[in-house]
Amino acid sequence: GAGVSQTPSNKVTEKGKYVELRCDPISGHTALYWYRQSLGQGPEFLIYFQGTGAADDSGLPNDRFFAVRPEGSVSTLKIQRTERGDSAVYLCASGRQGSSYNEQFFGPGTRLTVL
Amino acid sequence: RKEVEQDPGPFNVPEGATVAFNCTYSNSASQSFFWYRQDCRKEPKLLMSVYSSGNEDGRFTAQLNRASQYISLLIRDSKLSDSATYLCVVNKGGSNYQLIWGAGTKLIIKP
Repeated sequence: GAGVSQTPSNKVTEKGKYVELRCDPISGHTALYWYRQSLGQGPEFLIYFQGTGAADDSGLPNDRFFAVRPEGSVSTLKIQRTERGDSAVYLCASGRQGSSYNEQFFGPGTRLTVL
Repeated sequence: RKEVEQDPGPFNVPEGATVAFNCTYSNSASQSFFWYRQDCRKEPKLLMSVYSSGNEDGRFTAQLNRASQYISLLIRDSKLSDSATYLCVVNKGGSNYQLIWGAGTKLIIKP
């Protein structure tokens, strides 16, 4: 079956612009996670959705970052007033349920570059 | 101190050799443990879960030592295709869904 998909695969933007990153999880997966990965680091947790609601957004670095999942499937990560330090690969993962015992399936990521 | 620590490597190992690397975690309340594999510029993929009794999957063996709070991964008869970064992952203590990721250990298998 289809895996997790993310669009765009690459995004180059200028400092101060607004960007939206999209994640389409595996069908039927209720849990959805956003991570950010910088070079030479492991993924850093940003936000977790169980269904439509953000169950835990404690990893969002500041109020410029926001994510939604209005129908419990596709999710969009929104970054306002981008800064150079936001440059990273943004990974989305989904799982059958929100349990740390369950495997998380990752999308290929969106490589964001802020100039 | 990082919550999950790994030797970044790289480990340069000849094909056919056995290689092992460890990972330490800081929160004794963590209950679930994994090794993920990540190829260059690709997404992480689950290699194996790590159980208290230790577990084996083909050439790969994972061990957990709760007393010392470390996890190990052993790869026997290494293949060129094993070259990748291996990420140690534990659940955040007190959370049943949030995972904490190590920075990864880079493994290079040489012919």
